[in-house]
Amino acid sequence: AQRVTQPEKLLSVFKGAPVELKCNYSYSGSPELFWYVQYSRQRLQLLLRHISRESIKGFTADLNKGETSFHLKKPFAQEEDSAMYYCALSNTGNQFYFGTGTSLTVIP
Amino acid sequence: EAQVTQNPRYLITVTGKKLTVTCSQNMNHEYMSWYRQDPGLGLRQIYYSMNVEVTDKGDVPEGYKVSRKEKRNFPLILESPSPNQTSLYFCASSRLQQGIMFFGSGTQLSVL
Repeated sequence: AQRVTQPEKLLSVFKGAPVELKCNYSYSGSPELFWYVQYSRQRLQLLLRHISRESIKGFTADLNKGETSFHLKKPFAQEEDSAMYYCALSNTGNQFYFGTGTSLTVIP
Repeated sequence: EAQVTQNPRYLITVTGKKLTVTCSQNMNHEYMSWYRQDPGLGLRQIYYSMNVEVTDKGDVPEGYKVSRKEKRNFPLILESPSPNQTSLYFCASSRLQQGIMFFGSGTQLSVL
């Protein structure tokens, strides 16, 4: 059963425009949610996790348990945000489930 | 430099020929895991390990073996590779139950 859904494979926005990358999950317990990012020619790396409630590189993500969503948002996209973004869920902290990823392109 | 090192980066083999992909981390992390990445499927967890001699199956363990004899190493073994195991493989490590995973650079495997 797919536990993490990222409905958009590709997303293009203009520089300075708001961006939202969608992530929905299915899990009956209390999951931990993460966003991982892979910039061109770099390794996959953690962007943020819901328990930290941080803003990293201007990105935020709020866990909405009612809608089972963990959308990633940034008010003003920058060219350096162009990358592949993966939403991930962990049930016990040991098993991880990743979405299929969204490729974000920020148009200058 | 703190990192996860995978070898080889690229590997072409034939069906049935046993192979091992190595993974090593220098951050003294308890947790290590293996993933495969396929188009349209994202990353899927193969196996994970919470410490030395402690391993468990992830979402897609069939056809794979792992071992954790030392804390720093977590090799992925394909005893009899098949073409459906052609994929991009990633190793990752983190502190236990922290979720901040450090990934290797990946191993592109082709099984002919």
